[in-house]
Amino acid sequence: KNQVEQSPQSLIILEGKNCTLQCNYTVSPFSNLRWYKQDTGRGPVSLTIMTFSENTKSNGRYTATLDADTKQSSLHITASQLSDSASYICVVSAGGGGFKTIFGAGTRLFVKA
Amino acid sequence: GAGVSQSPSNKVTEKGKDVELRCDPISGHTALYWYRQSLGQGLEFLIYFQGNSAPDKSGLPSDRFSAERTGGSVSTLTIQRTQQEDSAVYLCASSLGTPQNSYEQYFGPGTRLTVT
Repeated sequence: KNQVEQSPQSLIILEGKNCTLQCNYTVSPFSNLRWYKQDTGRGPVSLTIMTFSENTKSNGRYTATLDADTKQSSLHITASQLSDSASYICVVSAGGGGFKTIFGAGTRLFVKA
Repeated sequence: GAGVSQSPSNKVTEKGKDVELRCDPISGHTALYWYRQSLGQGLEFLIYFQGNSAPDKSGLPSDRFSAERTGGSVSTLTIQRTQQEDSAVYLCASSLGTPQNSYEQYFGPGTRLTVT
C-alpha cells in the first residue's frame, strides 16, 4: 500500500533555532518527492522537488534530503523565523499511469519569539 | 500572472442542500485537481482532470460528489445532499502536466465549506 508518514506531528521551536522534519514513504515505483509549505488558510506552496537521482535540494533556508534506498526524506529549516510557522507536507508521486500522488498528513511547526 | 482562483471562499449550507464550488485554473494548465482537507488533516485526493482524457474519479468519497471541467478550463465540484461530514476546505490545483512527471501543482486558496 502506498503511504507517506511524517513526524513529528507538531513541533514548537524558538525563533533562530534549526529544526528537521521527517518523511518516510512506501510509494512504488518512486517518481519524485516534494515538500510543501501551507500557511493557515492558504493552499500549499512547493518548496522543493527531488527525483530518484537527487539526494539534496535547497531553497533558501530550507534544505531537503532524500535517501531512496531507505525511502526517507527530511526537511531542514535553518535559523527559523516567525513566518516559518506553518504546516509542512511531504508528497510522493509514483510512476506509471493514473494519478498516484500521496500526501502526508503534515508536520505543524510553531516558531515562537 | 494570475494564480488558481476558487469561489466562493466560504460557504455555509444546511444539511441536505446541494452546493457548487468553482475553480479557475492557471491559463494553459492542462491538469486540474480537487482535494479535500478536513480540520487538522492531510489533503485527500478527490478527482483529477488531464486534457481531454476521462477524469480519474477514484478519490470521490460517494456518488453525491461529482465534478466537471468545461472547455478544458473552469471546473465545478458539486456536492449533492450535503452532510455534516462534508465540512472541510476544498482545494483546487492545476499544473502543466502530471506530478509523476515532476510538474508542479499550483494550489488555489480553497473554499471552506461548513454544513450545519
